[in-house]
Amino acid sequence: DAGVTQSPTHLIKTRGQQVTLRCSPKSGHDTVSWYQQALGQGPQFIFQYYEEEERQRGNFPDRFSGHQFPNYSSELNVNALLLGDSALYLCASSLVQRGGPSTDTQYFGPGTRLTVL
Amino acid sequence: QKEVEQNSGPLSVPEGAIASLNCTYSDRVSQSFFWYRQYSGKSPELIMSIYSNGDKEDGRFTAQLNKASQYVSLLIRDSQPSDSATYLCAVNPLYQGGKLIFGQGTELSVKP
Repeated sequence: DAGVTQSPTHLIKTRGQQVTLRCSPKSGHDTVSWYQQALGQGPQFIFQYYEEEERQRGNFPDRFSGHQFPNYSSELNVNALLLGDSALYLCASSLVQRGGPSTDTQYFGPGTRLTVL
Repeated sequence: QKEVEQNSGPLSVPEGAIASLNCTYSDRVSQSFFWYRQYSGKSPELIMSIYSNGDKEDGRFTAQLNKASQYVSLLIRDSQPSDSATYLCAVNPLYQGGKLIFGQGTELSVKP
């Protein structure tokens, strides 16, 4: 049973560039969430995709955008990179619970370490 | 006030002892609570989820939830050096879809 996968593992970019990170959810999951984790901090929610639409968004600027494909995989795009965007980017997958309270249990991928120089 | 608060630690316990990790949250209507373990340089790994008041046990781990006090804790019995990691508390607020709000994590060190 394949877990959540992310690519690439590491990425180095310069200020002003654009980056695309990719995520494939755990088998059987239909929802993908993206988080940013700065060193020494807990993950910060960026957004969540379900049924190819953005379901929920955190306090991140429009430079952060995403997409979900029909096979449930997802991309995170960041434009006009800033030094402060350097972080570990985590993808988490879950299965939306229908007909009940929101108790989505999220499982994380290995992450992409982004360094902006 | 932060939405989810944890003591950053480090919390140091001897091998075989009970480690107690605490978390408080500000949104009274939060309904789902999770504990994740994160080794240095790795991604968070789910340990336990808890949704109802009381205790939930899974092996050496026990999660405790008190919604009236807005408090959730994780006990690790018979702590092992391999338990040394950062433990993240996460809360899913009501009516915010699948958004998880994390604390900054508590670093646990288990000394042999």
